[in-house]
Amino acid sequence: GAVVSQHPSRVICKSGTSVKIECRSLDFQATTMFWYRQFPKKSLMLMATSNEGSKATYEQGVEKDKFLINHASLTLSTLTVTSAHPEDSSFYICSAREQINEKLFFGSGTQLSVL
Amino acid sequence: DQQVKQNSPSLSVQEGRISILNCDYTNSMFDYFLWYKKYPAEGPTFLISISSIKDKNEDGRFTVFLNKSAKHLSLHIVPSQPGDSAVYFCAASSGTYKYIFGTGTRLKVLA
Repeated sequence: GAVVSQHPSRVICKSGTSVKIECRSLDFQATTMFWYRQFPKKSLMLMATSNEGSKATYEQGVEKDKFLINHASLTLSTLTVTSAHPEDSSFYICSAREQINEKLFFGSGTQLSVL
Repeated sequence: DQQVKQNSPSLSVQEGRISILNCDYTNSMFDYFLWYKKYPAEGPTFLISISSIKDKNEDGRFTVFLNKSAKHLSLHIVPSQPGDSAVYFCAASSGTYKYIFGTGTRLKVLA
């Protein structure tokens, strides 16, 4: 099946620094990728839709200047958490939509801890 | 406002028996539904999907039932196996590929 690689799997950073998370579709092209955030014991919450070659579409309440999304190619989307704060600590997951069967395939997630 | 709800946070089932996981939604515009399985600290794994033109879809041990009038779908796993122990999420979309996820149900299959 299709594979989505997400890196890093775990990152610890100091408050005020920026962290970049990469999401790659390894064996298919993804014109659309999605970024989710999951709080402990909560649902996956869609943060933004990343479209190749255009600006991301952010969900209500998500700060676009804080969570920068770049989808520069058909296989790579990045999420940069800028000026991270402890409340940004969470599990972030990306997904990519395979155009042929329209299934969503997920990365393995990134556990971000901001000290 | 939780548009997709999984009211049972946890479920325990004996190995070999049927597991039934339920999901309710409020948005009548949803027309495509998915079930995902998730292990701790990993991304969700796609299990099975159903579109609103069907009321049942089967894939091996997994069957999803959709009741549009009740805005309810369920995932049946039979027979349940210990390896099925995980958190299961249902998700729904209205043709935009933006999926709304439920809060998940933790399934524990007892050996």
